[in-house]
Order: sequence, then C-alpha cells, then structure tokens
Amino acid sequence: QLQLQESGPGLVKPSETLSLTCTVSGGSISSSSYYWGWIRQPPGKGLEWIGSIYYSGSTSYSGSTYYNPSLKSRVTISVDTSKRQFSLKVGSVTAADTAVYYCATVLDYHYYMDVWGKGTTVTVSS
Amino acid sequence: QSALTQPASVSGSPGQSITISCTGTSSDVGVYNYVSWYQQHPGKAPKLMIYDVSNRPSGVSNRFSGSKSGNTASLTISGLQAEDEADYYCSSYTSSNTLVLFGGGTKLTVL
Repeated sequence: QLQLQESGPGLVKPSETLSLTCTVSGGSISSSSYYWGWIRQPPGKGLEWIGSIYYSGSTSYSGSTYYNPSLKSRVTISVDTSKRQFSLKVGSVTAADTAVYYCATVLDYHYYMDVWGKGTTVTVSS
Repeated sequence: QSALTQPASVSGSPGQSITISCTGTSSDVGVYNYVSWYQQHPGKAPKLMIYDVSNRPSGVSNRFSGSKSGNTASLTISGLQAEDEADYYCSSYTSSNTLVLFGGGTKLTVL
C-alpha cells in the first residue's frame, strides 16, 4: 500500500527558501496513475492547494506541473526517481508561509487525493 | 477567499442529518464530476470520504453521501454521531492550469 512521508526543516528564516521532500514507499513514483501533490494548512485555517507534478515515462506530458496561481512565482515541485522522492521549494518565505505541509497523491483522471502524508510543521521566523 | 465556497459551520444533534454545500463555477464543479470531500479531525491529516461526486472509498460509512446540482455539490451525513464532529473540505478539478481547487472548509459540530 502506497505511503507518503514528509521531511524537512521545521524552522526557516524570512526571505529564505523552504525545502521539503516527500518519500514514497509501497509503490512506484513513476506510476502513470498519480500526480504528486503538495497542500498546506496555516494555523487555524483551511487547506490550501500548492501544486502538483505528473511524472511518468510513458506519457508525453510527464513532468508537467500545476501550481496555485497565488504561489506560482515562488514555488517549484520536482521529482527525484533515484530517491523515490518528490520535493517542494517555496522561495522568499514570510510568516504567512507558516503552516503544516502535506504531500498527497492525486489520482489521474479523477483528481482526488486518496493517500496523504502525516504532515510536517514549518515555521517561518527569525 | 477560497475558490470553492462552503459554509463556515453547520451543526446537528446525534441521529439527525446535515448537508454541507460546496459552490463552484462552470469551470470546475459545474462541468466536471470530479468533486471530492475530506474529513479532518484536529491534528490529523485529511481523510478522503467521497470521490467523483458520490462514490465512497472502501471503509467509509454509508452514512456519508454526495451529490451535485449545477455548480453546487453537497455532502450529506445521516445518523449523526459524535465522531463525525470535524472539519470538512470539498475539492474539485478545474480546467485552469491549477488542477485542483479546495473549499474553505466547514466545521461540523455535533450538539
């Protein structure tokens, strides 16, 4: 059964880059069935879609990324197949980027998130 | 402001039924049957409850049901139980290059 685990620094300084990874176990990161996504939740607030990447060697749109327009200029999502990980980078962070960050699978052709990581808390503070 | 609109809160007594609405546009909820619902208890990751408007994943109680009419999707919980008290979020595919939209979330209180 597919499992996801987020990892990365819990504290990031303002103006720096937030970097997180999500390790995939129990399945292939090259699966054509999934988009690999990131969602965050600021303290006391709702879920916010950050973006996702589709990675499969068998399709012409492998490597395609999809970002929340409000974050697009600061966000990069990528895949490292050798490590079975996908990653998130958010540049020029401020206190507003303080949140619990979740990685999740987004099922292709249905676009629902059926597998979630447990989440990791990132605080932006000097 | 979230892309999909949900009521901030709903409440009901044990045994009753409640419905949570999720309003989108003709670019998402209104044109695609890719609406999903998630339950989130405090300190926990969200859990998929409904997908493709009205389908339940294995293991989800049949007290949870989903539907859609026009640009509005709905989640109905029947026979309310104390354990249903949680936050609920809707999500939809969107034809924009964003892929997915979330609603702002609804806090369900079981009185």
